[in-house]
Amino acid sequence: EAQVTQNPRYLITVTGKKLTVTCSQNMNHEYMSWYRQDPGLGLRQIYYSMNVEVTDKGDVPEGYKVSRKEKRNFPLILESPSPNQTSLYFCASSFGSLGSEAFFGQGTRLTVV
Amino acid sequence: EDKVVQSPLSLVVHEGDTVTLNCSYEVTNFRSLLWYKQEKKAPTFLFMLTSSGIEKKSGRLSSILDKKELFSILNITATQTGDSAVYLCAVVSGSRLTFGEGTQLTVNP
Repeated sequence: EAQVTQNPRYLITVTGKKLTVTCSQNMNHEYMSWYRQDPGLGLRQIYYSMNVEVTDKGDVPEGYKVSRKEKRNFPLILESPSPNQTSLYFCASSFGSLGSEAFFGQGTRLTVV
Repeated sequence: EDKVVQSPLSLVVHEGDTVTLNCSYEVTNFRSLLWYKQEKKAPTFLFMLTSSGIEKKSGRLSSILDKKELFSILNITATQTGDSAVYLCAVVSGSRLTFGEGTQLTVNP
């Protein structure tokens, strides 16, 4: 089954404790991206990657890092999480450069206390 | 800065009504416009529009793009309670995807 898998689905952590949210897709998609969704602000792009070892900032990259060492994986790293990073996070992938349908993971609800 | 604006932000209708959701945009290097439906979980794809004036249709849902006036509409006819969701519009500009805030649609029996 074609899918984008994120882990964990739910996470409560403390300020400053490094964490990684994993994202994996099995569709051989080149393009992958991360979004955060907040009430009243909609979905905002954090980082995207057009292929292995090619990443770029989206609209809200501050406080986040990503890496793309393999085509299927695109982890999101929070080196020192803060409460304003409490949000619902989605990973998405699409074939080719963006312009085609994006497939979304099930989301990770992160709470930073 | 790329901008996508959806209206209305929320809408409550009765089953059987027809609704029109709006999406306007201001972006550089427009490539396509996408509509998604989100029901308490991950967004699911509805339509992708790239050409002006060509209607995309799937069952009771249809959408059209006007590239001259920079907007798109999503129509849902004969609404059902299962249509209750947030409908998201997103525009692909260059290598980036910008979403609107979404329209919360509630269909009451």
